[in-house]
Amino acid sequence: EIVLTQSPATLSLSPGERATLSCRASQSVDSFLAWYQQKPGQAPRLVIYDASNRATGVPARFSGSGSGTDFTLTISSLEPEDFAVYYCQQRTNWPRTFGQGTKVEIK
Amino acid sequence: QLLESGGRLLQPGGSLRLSCAASGFHFSTYDMSWVRQAPGKGLEWVSAIGGGGTPTFYADSVQGRFVISRDNSKNMLFLQMNSLRAEDTALYYCATGAGSPDFWGQGTLVTVSS
Repeated sequence: EIVLTQSPATLSLSPGERATLSCRASQSVDSFLAWYQQKPGQAPRLVIYDASNRATGVPARFSGSGSGTDFTLTISSLEPEDFAVYYCQQRTNWPRTFGQGTKVEIK
Repeated sequence: QLLESGGRLLQPGGSLRLSCAASGFHFSTYDMSWVRQAPGKGLEWVSAIGGGGTPTFYADSVQGRFVISRDNSKNMLFLQMNSLRAEDTALYYCATGAGSPDFWGQGTLVTVSS
């Protein structure tokens, strides 16, 4: 099973600041890594798929990068609606696995 | 739209079948997944199924206890859950896709407790 480790666990930032979230895989997942956003009481929302592709309707301030074992989700300038928990997920192998999440909170 | 149902409170060792009603898309052409989230915890992928009913895949934690299936004539996805344990307590989501699911329902809550 591929283990995904996200860092930091919590990111405290102000609106307008840049957010950089990290996800590290225990073995290569090529570029088959996605990022999800989840707000309280809501289902997860796909933000980035295959490392760097924005899902439908996702604003351009969200970008993803990386390949192999190290990946980054960047939010260039945080909007109030971006404060949420973000999960990475791999689709290289079965079982599919998620990271433990990074909470982006308002400072 | 994806609408899950069937969740409830039940005792350890019990069985339960979850359902997911799909609408608004060509259901039979989509692989489907179940993902769960224990209260206050992260996401855990549970199972996936191909558009035609095969192949099927399971997380190690549910292998041998849960069975995923679908009825394409009724646009329905199912998860038969047997030998339930306290650690199966979670909100169960159905979602489109078996890779990185891109559309999710709102979930149905399963609570396993004596």
